[in-house]
Amino acid sequence: AQSVTQLDSQVPVFEEAPVELRCNYSSSVSVYLFWYVQYPNQGLQLLLKYLSGSTLVKGINGFEAEFNKSQTSFHLRKPSVHISDTAEYFCAVRFSQGAQKLVFGQGTRLTINP
Amino acid sequence: DTGVSQDPRHKITKRGQNVTFRCDPISEHNRLYWYRQTLGQGPEFLTYFQNEAQLEKSRLLSDRFSAERPKGSFSTLEIQRTEQGDSAMYLCASSPGASGRRYEQYFGPGTRLTVT
Repeated sequence: AQSVTQLDSQVPVFEEAPVELRCNYSSSVSVYLFWYVQYPNQGLQLLLKYLSGSTLVKGINGFEAEFNKSQTSFHLRKPSVHISDTAEYFCAVRFSQGAQKLVFGQGTRLTINP
Repeated sequence: DTGVSQDPRHKITKRGQNVTFRCDPISEHNRLYWYRQTLGQGPEFLTYFQNEAQLEKSRLLSDRFSAERPKGSFSTLEIQRTEQGDSAMYLCASSPGASGRRYEQYFGPGTRLTVT
């Protein structure tokens, strides 16, 4: 079965500390991978994507993610977080090139404490 | 590029009433998607249009739900005989058909539906 799992529902971090948000997926076909951020009462904003090529991808707001095919993971990282990074983060997978829909994980609530 | 817009942003209705939401995609995006997001969960796919053709529907889209995109531009999502379980955020997204960004979906702010 094709599924997306975000292992942490909540991650509290102090300001300027590094953070990693974990995402694993289950698939027997090739995948396209995405991370979205959702601020309160807003829609989803694309942070970054992996389609092919280099497994380390950089996105907006200083975030990056690494695709690990053998571990079927796509973890999101930021070396130093800010208060403004407080939001809900969603990992999403497009299973195969022909698929149109995104399958989302349950989300990780990132809270930055001063 | 004004982004994806949705109307209304909030809707409160009584159980059994019909509701209709509108989505205006980014101009010239020929692909349009509807998702539903319940509290504490990630969005779940409902349906997908390419131009005016509805090409995929989720099993989540019961007979009470219908979506249209009559001229390949804006889309409407109607829910008939609403139930309390329909309370959720309804998200619309669009993507370009053929460009380097064709795999990216751009989301609107959503319509929050509350069924009392």
